[in-house]
Amino acid sequence: DVVLTQTPVSLLISLGGQASISCRSSQSLVHSNGNTYLHWYLQKPGQSPQLLIYQVSNRFSGIPDRFSGSGSGTDFTLKISRVEPEDLGVYYCLQRTHNPPTFGGGTKLELK
Amino acid sequence: EVKLVESGGGLVQPGRSLKLSCAASGFSFNDYWMGWVRQAPGKGLEWIGEINQDSSTINYTPSLKDKFTISRDNAQNTLYLQMSKLGSEDTAIYYCARETTYWGQGVMVTVSS
Repeated sequence: DVVLTQTPVSLLISLGGQASISCRSSQSLVHSNGNTYLHWYLQKPGQSPQLLIYQVSNRFSGIPDRFSGSGSGTDFTLKISRVEPEDLGVYYCLQRTHNPPTFGGGTKLELK
Repeated sequence: EVKLVESGGGLVQPGRSLKLSCAASGFSFNDYWMGWVRQAPGKGLEWIGEINQDSSTINYTPSLKDKFTISRDNAQNTLYLQMSKLGSEDTAIYYCARETTYWGQGVMVTVSS
């Protein structure tokens, strides 16, 4: 199975600050069709995960442009600028290029 | 509005079976792949499997394949997860999901004697 390693495990950020989360894959996530199926989710406390970014860099409907995704191959990054209180929670990356789909271990974003 | 509501969870004894349901509304259910993901208490997310629109293709995470069976009823807009030979390691919140986009609120399954 593909292993996704997220760093850091936890992140202390001030309101209005910027956060950066890394997701590294044990193998390339470029599909044979040329697409890269690496997605990002936020799980707020007591809630189910919500999709933020799909296929590396595409913001899902209603997601503010403070969230941006980048990367290629095996190395991906989620950036959150101007952090707001509603951004707090655990962030997960998910790869769907290879079967079975696998998640990263999560990064907890907390207020400093 | 897309809505996914899981049900059927609760306390179950080790070795027993349990069937979860996920009622879908707000979209054309038979146009989408549907799947199940679980999360043990305080842990990360684990993909269980998914089923295509007409049930002709069902994919499972290999380590869970012998324990879980995914099915759907398009006439009832409902997704199912049949779980068998449950052990304490299966204690988790179980989420249904529409492809990678929308998730239900989850249902808790506790396996304990």
